Amino acid sequence: GDSVTQMEGPVTLSEEAFLTINCTYTATGYPSLFWYVQYPGEGLQLLLKATKADDKGSNKGFEATYRKETTSFHLEKGSVQVSDSAVYFCALRGYQKVTFGIGTKLQVIP
Amino acid sequence: EPEVTQTPSHQVTQMGQEVILRCVPISNHLYFYWYRQILGQKVEFLVSFYNNEISEKSEIFDDQFSVERPDGSNFTLKIRSTKLEDSAMYFCASGLAEYNNNEQFFGPGTRLTVL
Repeated sequence: GDSVTQMEGPVTLSEEAFLTINCTYTATGYPSLFWYVQYPGEGLQLLLKATKADDKGSNKGFEATYRKETTSFHLEKGSVQVSDSAVYFCALRGYQKVTFGIGTKLQVIP
Repeated sequence: EPEVTQTPSHQVTQMGQEVILRCVPISNHLYFYWYRQILGQKVEFLVSFYNNEISEKSEIFDDQFSVERPDGSNFTLKIRSTKLEDSAMYFCASGLAEYNNNEQFFGPGTRLTVL
């Protein structure tokens, strides 16, 4: 079945550091790929998405590129802020359901 | 901007009791979902619902669980006899279509605590 593997955290970075959170997936067919963010005490918010190979999703300075050849969708940001501290979930959607990775907790310190 | 809402935000119940978690999906959406997240673990799919019937369910969604769309706006998840291991955050989601490039919109979640 479908699965998503992402690096486990926590990841601790200083403000303005470069962020990479790795994500790889296994799926049949041609899934859409997503990054969701969960701020403390809140629900899931869609951060960005890509629906086909080589698409780049971007939002709020975050980017991720759908790489079919490496089955990856790594999340990057050039300069993180304290307000980016949250848990980030990589996810894919085939038919119907969304399959999530385990989540990576990011803590950004001033 | 339309959003999915869920009530209550936190539910505390005794083991063996029945609970109903409520969701109001986005009004023109046709597909509805429940997911759960046990503390510190990943979000897991429970069930999808379309045209007044379950279209897919996971192994977690056993006979203790049921879903219903009792009227034109609400979508509910019922746990018939709660167990300690049902303690989790439950997320409702809705979407316009089943196709994978259509986003599912998630609600803020209901935290269920079973004592």
